Amino acid sequence: GESVGLHLPTLSVQEGDNSIINCAYSNSASDYFIWYKQESGKGPQFIIDIRSNMDKRQGQRVTVLLNKTVKHLSLQIAATQPGDSAVYFCAENEAAGSYQLTFGKGTKLSVIP
Amino acid sequence: EAGVTQSPTHLIKTRGQQATLRCSPISGHTSVYWYQQALGLGLQFLLWYDEGEERNRGNFPPRFSGRQFPNYSSELNVNALELEDSALYLCASTMGQYNSPLHFGNGTRLTVT
Repeated sequence: GESVGLHLPTLSVQEGDNSIINCAYSNSASDYFIWYKQESGKGPQFIIDIRSNMDKRQGQRVTVLLNKTVKHLSLQIAATQPGDSAVYFCAENEAAGSYQLTFGKGTKLSVIP
Repeated sequence: EAGVTQSPTHLIKTRGQQATLRCSPISGHTSVYWYQQALGLGLQFLLWYDEGEERNRGNFPPRFSGRQFPNYSSELNVNALELEDSALYLCASTMGQYNSPLHFGNGTRLTVT
């Protein structure tokens, strides 16, 4: 089976609140993790990535946290907006030198206006 | 800068026919990846091309094949189409450097009837 999974398949959040999307991985050798956003009818859009030598990385309104002890990855979206409604995928790179990603099945984020 | 472009956007074929999907990577990107996204499922790795060579393939039968041209564009061919091949086929490109993000196109929606 897939080594990357998600705790919550769907998430509904009030506009303006913060969102947290979680992801578990099982491969201890993974050293690169990435979050994508996929809107209906479009391909996945890169959001943010993090390497295994980091615990936290921040972007514009988004933060990724990596807990290698429990093999957990999370994406935090601050002040969630209607445009954030999409399916979010986490993925891991299992092989050094390759960009062969293993994706989870995704979490659907719905923002309530 | 133009993103990854895929053509056609939609493709309808009958069982047993052959399908050809095309991808143009972002300028300067040398690696191309193909993923299959079946309805309700995550992204499954198909093929990886770099500098014109096939570097790796996922767990798909040999009737899934492709190539990369000298200008780094790529083609995915699916022979002897089966109903379960109906899916969104996504192409992604990267600079070919370790830990450089994959950038996806919007995909080709293949429907096999």
